[in-house]
Amino acid sequence: AQKVTQAQTEISVVEKEDVTLDCVYETRDTTYYLFWYKQPPSGELVFLIRRNSFDEQNEISGRYSWNFQKSTSSFNFTITASQVVDSAVYFCALTLNSGGSNYKLTFGKGTLLTVNP
Amino acid sequence: DVKVTQSSRYLVKRTGEKVFLECVQDMDHENMFWYRQDPGLGLRLIYFSYDVKMKEKGDIPEGYSVSREKKERFSLILESASTNQTSMYLCASSFPTSGGTGELFFGEGSRLTVL
Repeated sequence: AQKVTQAQTEISVVEKEDVTLDCVYETRDTTYYLFWYKQPPSGELVFLIRRNSFDEQNEISGRYSWNFQKSTSSFNFTITASQVVDSAVYFCALTLNSGGSNYKLTFGKGTLLTVNP
Repeated sequence: DVKVTQSSRYLVKRTGEKVFLECVQDMDHENMFWYRQDPGLGLRLIYFSYDVKMKEKGDIPEGYSVSREKKERFSLILESASTNQTSMYLCASSFPTSGGTGELFFGEGSRLTVL
């Protein structure tokens, strides 16, 4: 069975600091997909990124960047120059590409990020 | 603008009541999901559906059932609500892709309190 671990339960930073959210996953499959979602205080989860297991290139989108390392089974998320609007719960998730399991996302427990002005 | 709409943001029910949580999506997605979110536990999958009238158990289906009579609507049913079902319920939908599920679109959630 697959598992996603977000060891950081809560992180608090001051605006403009860089912050990295850790995600470690476990799976025996060689083909899988990793996701990050953001849940702001309003409650609605918002998709940030989807990455397949064959693509280890790092991704950058504005102030957001993702570092995927299969050797350490990690898919970490960095926010550069954090802003108050980045305050949210962030979830890492994993899905497999095998049979019915490809419909099921396994989520980590989430990291609450608070960015203080 | 894509949208997943959950019928109620907040509900208060009594133990033993039958509870219906409704979810409608307007994106013609095949896949629909019900998750439960609890502090310290993250999101856990209750049931999902990949087609009309099709359903599959997730990780915590006990005490729940679902109904999908139309493509756009996926209902979660608590036959006899219990206090341990007090939680935030999240509905989501997605297109299937050749490589597993694509991006999930979530509703705003329904916070259920069972007294």
